[in-house]
Amino acid sequence: EADIYQTPRYLVIGTGKKITLECSQTMGHDKMYWYQQDPGMELHLIHYSYGVNSTEKGDLSSESTVSRIRTEHFPLTLESARPSHTSQYLCASSDFPQHYEQYFGPGTRLTVT
Amino acid sequence: AQSVTQLGSHVSVSEGALVLLRCNYSSSVPPYLFWYVQYPNQGLQLLLKYTSAATLVKGINGFEAEFKKSETSFHLTKPSAHMSDAAEYFCAVSTTSGTYKYIFGTGTRLKVLA
Repeated sequence: EADIYQTPRYLVIGTGKKITLECSQTMGHDKMYWYQQDPGMELHLIHYSYGVNSTEKGDLSSESTVSRIRTEHFPLTLESARPSHTSQYLCASSDFPQHYEQYFGPGTRLTVT
Repeated sequence: AQSVTQLGSHVSVSEGALVLLRCNYSSSVPPYLFWYVQYPNQGLQLLLKYTSAATLVKGINGFEAEFKKSETSFHLTKPSAHMSDAAEYFCAVSTTSGTYKYIFGTGTRLKVLA
């Protein structure tokens, strides 16, 4: 059983608020990822990290930012939430080498009103 | 560059019937391929993976997939569908460009009819 956690699971917040979505894993994985997924749609990679102090933007442009100051923790922050940010956000982690699968958290469903 | 194509965004089968979900990949090097399942309001769960060992890969919940290099395919099958198989299924390939990214298909929603 993979141990990757996301909080909160559901969040409803007003426009303009700053929010942080938490993601933690206890497997010691170096690589972590954030995906954005609209209901019933494909996953879009928005951020990834190879390890501590390493962050990269993904394939889909996002106004969010991430940090990686501890191996186990990869939070995502939106400085000013907008309705266009309404989506599901999935966090994942994986180990080396590349044929190791990604382990996913349960997701955070964000609604910005 | 690598890519993944899932044919059929929606598939319906009767309970007890064969499940076949199609995935084709494009890769200039031997790929690592994965099938994931996603239930409503949950993250993705690994069903099975191909890592250049056996071409027929068995996974959880009775699913299996066969890697066919000549057809660049990695189709997912299950002999007999169960109501609990209704979910979204994603095929993915891990890139070999050194960026450790995974490319996901657009997903196939499986509906199981009673």
